[in-house]
Amino acid sequence: DGGITQSPKYLFRKEGQNVTLSCEQNLNHDAMYWYRQDPGQGLRLIYYSQIVNDFQKGDIAEGYSVSREKKESFPLTVTSAQKNPTAFYLCASSIDPGWLNYGYTFGSGTRLTVV
Amino acid sequence: GQQLNQSPQSMFIQEGEDVSMNCTSSSIFNTWLWYKQEPGEGPVLLIALYKAGELTSNGRLTAQFGITRKDSFLNISASIPSDVGIYFCAGQENSGGSNYKLTFGKGTLLTVNP
Repeated sequence: DGGITQSPKYLFRKEGQNVTLSCEQNLNHDAMYWYRQDPGQGLRLIYYSQIVNDFQKGDIAEGYSVSREKKESFPLTVTSAQKNPTAFYLCASSIDPGWLNYGYTFGSGTRLTVV
Repeated sequence: GQQLNQSPQSMFIQEGEDVSMNCTSSSIFNTWLWYKQEPGEGPVLLIALYKAGELTSNGRLTAQFGITRKDSFLNISASIPSDVGIYFCAGQENSGGSNYKLTFGKGTLLTVNP
């Protein structure tokens, strides 16, 4: 079955460490997105990528980095520069970034906790 | 970035009651989408709307694309406990083909008491 997979489901990080969240899709979608979700704040866009080897900053990119070396993969690194990284992170993909009639397909999320 | 104005922020209802929530925007949207997110999971698409005035149903859910193209509502009839979750509206702004991402509302948290 086609879908979008995020791993791990739960992640614990010590302060000062970088950590990478995985996102893989086998839907043959061109565009991929990373969102951060905090209680009461909805979904905030971190980074998005319309095509391989290209990505753009979203609304809250500071302290995060991404890469898009393969169409299927869009990993997110939470760096030590991110001051409040504890949150639920959602990855999504869409068939065509310019035509969003089908919306996004979301992964099941990764909950990151800083200890 | 812009966010849609979604209301209410939360709702506490009894099983069997009907529910209504809505989203408004200051700009015109080409597409309106409604998602449901269950605890600890990613949002799942419920209904997609493509034309002004369009009314679409999915079981007990009904959604409408406002005629001004700046709003949408979602109704849930005869709620059941499994309707619990966060409901998000989302849409793609009409920006001449230069907008490559969805805009989301902040969500409506629905609690259904059995």
